[in-house]
Amino acid sequence: DQQVKQNSPSLSVQEGRISILNCDYTNSMFDYFLWYKKYPAEGPTFLISISSIKDKNEDGRFTVFLNKSAKHLSLHIVPSQPGDSAVYFCAAYDNDMRFGAGTRLTVKP
Amino acid sequence: DTAVSQTPKYLVTQMGNDKSIKCEQNLGHDTMYWYKQDSKKFLKIMFSYNNKELIINETVPNRFSPKSPDKAHLNLHINSLELGDSAVYFCASSPASRGNEQFFGPGTRLTVL
Repeated sequence: DQQVKQNSPSLSVQEGRISILNCDYTNSMFDYFLWYKKYPAEGPTFLISISSIKDKNEDGRFTVFLNKSAKHLSLHIVPSQPGDSAVYFCAAYDNDMRFGAGTRLTVKP
Repeated sequence: DTAVSQTPKYLVTQMGNDKSIKCEQNLGHDTMYWYKQDSKKFLKIMFSYNNKELIINETVPNRFSPKSPDKAHLNLHINSLELGDSAVYFCASSPASRGNEQFFGPGTRLTVL
């Protein structure tokens, strides 16, 4: 029973272009959403978050959009850089943190 | 100065053995967690613990037990290891009032032969 789903296991983008990572969830009780970034052999590190009362949160090159009616959120990275290459986990919180399976982003120079 | 650390980083052991993974956080957080990243790369909560309450994910076998000698440590003990226990285990911590702000350790890759 995966309440948080990332349907794209991988994404490849050219440097300078936009990266869009998607995430869907099923539990309408989630009230806080996060994106974590993970490099190989390291633990996930917090990237950006959004509360369910908002539909957009921006931090530098990273913007998270939340569409509650569609139970969908996305992470936009503009412009993408080679250092952004990592696995990105979507997470949703309602007393417990639930993670998606991750999307591997590769940004090509 | 690592915020959340785990030891060992890699652990290879035989079926049936008992092993422990240690976790330490120097963030002053009140709540610590253990997650298992399964073969499909999902991160699943196993335990959350603060000095008042241990919450166990009901799907976790009772061969797994967390032990907290103090607020900064939450160790994971696994008895009678099975092949299916092979995974990467992540420790995390958060302030008690903000469980959604979790900081993760680097992970321990457990391989059961």
